[in-house]
Amino acid sequence: DAGITQSPRHKVTETGTPVTLRCHQTENHRYMYWYRQDPGHGLRLIHYSYGVKDTDKGEVSDGYSVSRSKTEDFLLTLESATSSQTSVYFCAIGASGTSSYEQYFGPGTRLTVT
Amino acid sequence: DQQVKQNSPSLSVQEGRISILNCDYTNSMFDYFLWYKKYPAEGPTFLISISSIKDKNEDGRFTVFLNKSAKHLSLHIVPSQPGDSAVYFCAASAYYGGSQGNLIFGKGTKLSVKP
Repeated sequence: DAGITQSPRHKVTETGTPVTLRCHQTENHRYMYWYRQDPGHGLRLIHYSYGVKDTDKGEVSDGYSVSRSKTEDFLLTLESATSSQTSVYFCAIGASGTSSYEQYFGPGTRLTVT
Repeated sequence: DQQVKQNSPSLSVQEGRISILNCDYTNSMFDYFLWYKKYPAEGPTFLISISSIKDKNEDGRFTVFLNKSAKHLSLHIVPSQPGDSAVYFCAASAYYGGSQGNLIFGKGTKLSVKP
């Protein structure tokens, strides 16, 4: 298994509060991704990073920000959580310089916004 | 506008029989396709992939077929086992301007393999 951990694994928070989810990898991969999974929507990309301090938006980036100050850590922040951000969040990593596009996923964080 | 479509939300198969999961795509620039398997309360795990220069890739019980003219791919599982019961996601990517593109996922198909 790829060395990817996510913390926390579960969180319940109130509407309007800030929330930060952490993704940590031990594989030294260049690319890191944040997805959310919702019933009927599959996996949707929120933000991704292609190197330290290099990030870009994905399909559903509104209401989210990210930071990557070290190769191994990728943080996802909900500045002011809303009920529509209740979801399961997955971090993924991918290598560069290969001919394939495989990504390897972490175990997920279940976030509930009340 | 869904670029990767899995039109069957669920599929039920008897143990030992073949499971066929289908995926259609609309973007002709996609050049790499992947299948992921996901169990409840776990992250998706990579299963098998295929490049657009091939029409078939096999790995044990799993075979992926690609029909570029129809923009269609399928995952065959033979024989199906109860442990294969999971949600299967199809994903696609394109290589743009010297860098790898992000994966675009379908909505998933829930496979149930009954003993």
